[in-house]
Amino acid sequence: KAGVTQTPRYLIKTRGQQVTLSCSPISGHRSVSWYQQTPGQGLQFLFEYFSETQRNKGNFPGRFSGRQFSNSRSEMNVSTLELGDSALYLCASSSRGVGNTEAFFGQGTRLTVV
Amino acid sequence: AQSVTQLDSQVPVFEEAPVELRCNYSSSVSVYLFWYVQYPNQGLQLLLKYLSGSTLVKGINGFEAEFNKSQTSFHLRKPSVHISDTAEYFCAVRPMIYNQGGKLIFGQGTELSVKP
Repeated sequence: KAGVTQTPRYLIKTRGQQVTLSCSPISGHRSVSWYQQTPGQGLQFLFEYFSETQRNKGNFPGRFSGRQFSNSRSEMNVSTLELGDSALYLCASSSRGVGNTEAFFGQGTRLTVV
Repeated sequence: AQSVTQLDSQVPVFEEAPVELRCNYSSSVSVYLFWYVQYPNQGLQLLLKYLSGSTLVKGINGFEAEFNKSQTSFHLRKPSVHISDTAEYFCAVRPMIYNQGGKLIFGQGTELSVKP
C-alpha cells in the first residue's frame, strides 16, 4: 500500500508570490490534515479536510487555504508569501473510521521564501 | 483546549543506556495520546499510541510508554538505546470528539542524541 505522497519535496519562492502544495493520501483515507513545522513554533495544525469539506481550522491567516478533491487528494495554497512562511509543510491522512485514529504522515514539502 | 509539554528539549545518552522522554498534557476533554519520531528531512513516523485499556503500551523499535491519568503524563521509555535512535521525538494528543478528531496537538519535541 503506497504511503502519503507530497509534491514537490522542495520549493524556493520569492516574497509576495503564491504557492500550491499537493498531498495524495493513502488509498481509502478520506481525511487529510496539514501542519506547518518551523524551528521556532514547532508543529502547528493548519486545517483538516474530510470528504471535500473543511472540518477544522488552525490559527493561521486567511493567506493559507486548502481544498480537497473527490479522490481525497488535497492541495494547500499560500498567497502573498512572507519570509516567515518558510517551513516544512506536512500532510497527514487517516481513515477516520470508528477507532481509527492513527494519522500517517508524508515526507513533507520544504518551502523556502527568499 | 489542549496543550502538550515535553519537559526536555534535548536528551544526550550513551549507547545501550536506558532513556526516558517526558511528556505532560492538559486537556478539557478526553484525548488519545501518541508518540512520533522524526528523522532528519523526513516526515513523522508513529512509534506508539494510547487509545484505551492497559496503561502500558508497546510500540515499534523497542519503545514503550505509560499513560498516567492522574498526573496527565505519557512518558516514553526504551531500556537500551542504539545510535540509530538519534532523532527528534514528538508527543501529541488528539481530542476524542468526532469533529475535532483530525487535529493533533504536538509538544515542542525532544532531540534524542545517542553517543557511542
